[in-house]
Amino acid sequence: GAVVSQHPSWVICKSGTSVKIECRSLDFQATTMFWYRQFPKQSLMLMATSNEGSKATYEQGVEKDKFLINHASLTLSTLTVTSAHPEDSSFYICSARDVREVPEQFFGPGTRLTVL
Amino acid sequence: GQNIDQPTEMTATEGAIVQINCTYQTSGFNGLFWYQQHAGEAPTFLSYNVLDGLEEKGRFSSFLSRSKGYSYLLLKELQMKDSASYLCAVMDSNYQLIWGAGTKLIIKP
Repeated sequence: GAVVSQHPSWVICKSGTSVKIECRSLDFQATTMFWYRQFPKQSLMLMATSNEGSKATYEQGVEKDKFLINHASLTLSTLTVTSAHPEDSSFYICSARDVREVPEQFFGPGTRLTVL
Repeated sequence: GQNIDQPTEMTATEGAIVQINCTYQTSGFNGLFWYQQHAGEAPTFLSYNVLDGLEEKGRFSSFLSRSKGYSYLLLKELQMKDSASYLCAVMDSNYQLIWGAGTKLIIKP
């Protein structure tokens, strides 16, 4: 099956610093990647949809200047949390859609961010 | 608005059968997904239904009725490792996934 990786798996940073999270599709080309955030005991919340070579589409309430998304190739998307604050601490999960199999999204293992 | 409803929590006994229901109201429909999510991990794909009826895959089966906006996930021969959250998600007309809040399934010996 299709594999999606994320790096890092977890990160602890100081308030005010920026953190970059990478999402890679390892064995397929992902024309679309999705970034989710999940707080404890809550459901997944879509943050943005990222299409290769174009600007990401952000969900309502998600600050695009704070959560920078770059999807430069068919196998890599990055999410940068700029000037992170403790309230940004969460579980960030990416998923990717295989251009040959439109419906299904394949999820990465997630990145746990803790901002001190 | 778009809405996915599923029970918050269910409890079942090891070896038994459990049915997790999901009702939805979305703008358009391009299929319904069930995902399993263990605590602290990302979701893993279980099933995809786009036509009415029952899809069976081993111990897990998923049913869809588009006219009723209803689906269920049926888990047979429950094992302790099935303790997890089960997420129902509907793909709308824009191919966006609309997620339910998830059902936490607790399996007791």
